[in-house]
Amino acid sequence: QVQLEESGPGLVKPPETLSLTCSVSGGSIRNYYWSWIRQSPGKGLQWIGYIYYSGITYSNPSLKSRVTISVDTSKNHFSLRLSSVTAADTAVYYCARGPRAGAGSFDSWGRGTLVTVSS
Amino acid sequence: QSALTQPASVSGSPGQSITISCTGTSSDIGSFNLVSWYQLYPGRAPKLIISEVTERPSGISNRFSGSKFDNTASLTISGLRAEDEADYYCCSYAGSTNFVVFGGGTKLTVL
Repeated sequence: QVQLEESGPGLVKPPETLSLTCSVSGGSIRNYYWSWIRQSPGKGLQWIGYIYYSGITYSNPSLKSRVTISVDTSKNHFSLRLSSVTAADTAVYYCARGPRAGAGSFDSWGRGTLVTVSS
Repeated sequence: QSALTQPASVSGSPGQSITISCTGTSSDIGSFNLVSWYQLYPGRAPKLIISEVTERPSGISNRFSGSKFDNTASLTISGLRAEDEADYYCCSYAGSTNFVVFGGGTKLTVL
């Protein structure tokens, strides 16, 4: 059973860059899509973007200009960078496997990590 | 404001059935049979419980079922148990531009 674990600073100052890494264990990062999803306090989930193990990426149009997602297959992990953060970027950030081709679903998730944006 | 609309809360007694609705548009739920549902507990990894509108992943109880009509998807939980008390989120593919959209989440309380 694949397991995912997010890591990174819990506090980021505006307008710096938020950086998180998702470590994948129990399975290979190859041949799958991998996503970042967040949940702001009191709000629903928001898909941030995905990366294929080959490096192909796509991001939510509302965040696209600030999002960079990368993958390191040798370390079996992928990463998120979100630039120019504001308080509105405070959220629990999840990494997930997916979207599954032909299904659009996310079948394995990390527990999430809270990132607070504050000076 | 989330792209998909869910009731903020639903409740039911043990043994009863409840249904959570998820309303979208003709650009997402109405156009694709790619609706999924997730169960969230605080501090735990979210779990996929329904994919492709009606499919249950391996290991998910058959007490969970999904359906769709027009622009609205639904999750039904039958034989409610105390352990079902959690937050539930719907998700739909929304085309090549927006790609994936989520609902605002529904808190299920088992009375």
